[in-house]
Amino acid sequence: EVQLVESGGGLVQPGGSLTLSCAVSGFTFSDHYMDWVRQAPGKGLEWVGRTRNKTKSYTTEYAASVRGRFVVSRDDSRSSLYLQMSSLRTEDTAIYYCTAITLIVDGAFYMDVWGKGTTVTVSS
Amino acid sequence: DIQLTQSPSFLSASVGDRVTIICRASRGISRSLAWFQQRPGEAPKLLIYGTSTLQSGVPSRFSGSGSGTEYTLTISRLQPEDCATYYCQQLYNYPVTFGGGTKVEIK
Repeated sequence: EVQLVESGGGLVQPGGSLTLSCAVSGFTFSDHYMDWVRQAPGKGLEWVGRTRNKTKSYTTEYAASVRGRFVVSRDDSRSSLYLQMSSLRTEDTAIYYCTAITLIVDGAFYMDVWGKGTTVTVSS
Repeated sequence: DIQLTQSPSFLSASVGDRVTIICRASRGISRSLAWFQQRPGEAPKLLIYGTSTLQSGVPSRFSGSGSGTEYTLTISRLQPEDCATYYCQQLYNYPVTFGGGTKVEIK
């Protein structure tokens, strides 16, 4: 069974740092691109960032709202995805979802597997 | 960035009704569009990818269509378990963007 389990959420002060983890099982993690998506309380979905696989040199992409503050990384030996968040702002408060892209159609990469999410609250 | 505008933002319909949600892109996205369903308290679930291909396990009452800048999600006969918020998403270029969501309520 494919499983993505996020952890590391919690309460952090503005300006602080936090690292989220996503443990993956049930498929060959190293083959696939992985994304983070977040959802602020009562709001819609916002894509945060992506890490490609080893074939694509683990290159990354970010939303403008987090670029320079957040880093997406992965450890294929541990089948784990990470999101290092720094200089956190109150507007970063959200549920953070880990997603896997195992579906590629006509060059588009579809997020077809999702974790249940971990909650990050940025508040003083 | 490509903006996705969904309409309506909220709809209320009866069991058995046909429901249509529209997603308009600020420019052409070459059918690189997905639809997600998110029930309260749950993670989003991929329903449709590539504009019209049903993800495995998704009931056939869901369908998608469109091209260029206009895309639709249709539920042919609304069921109680379809009460959820639906999001479109474009994968044409970076940044990946989502529509604002359509909340579907059962009357």
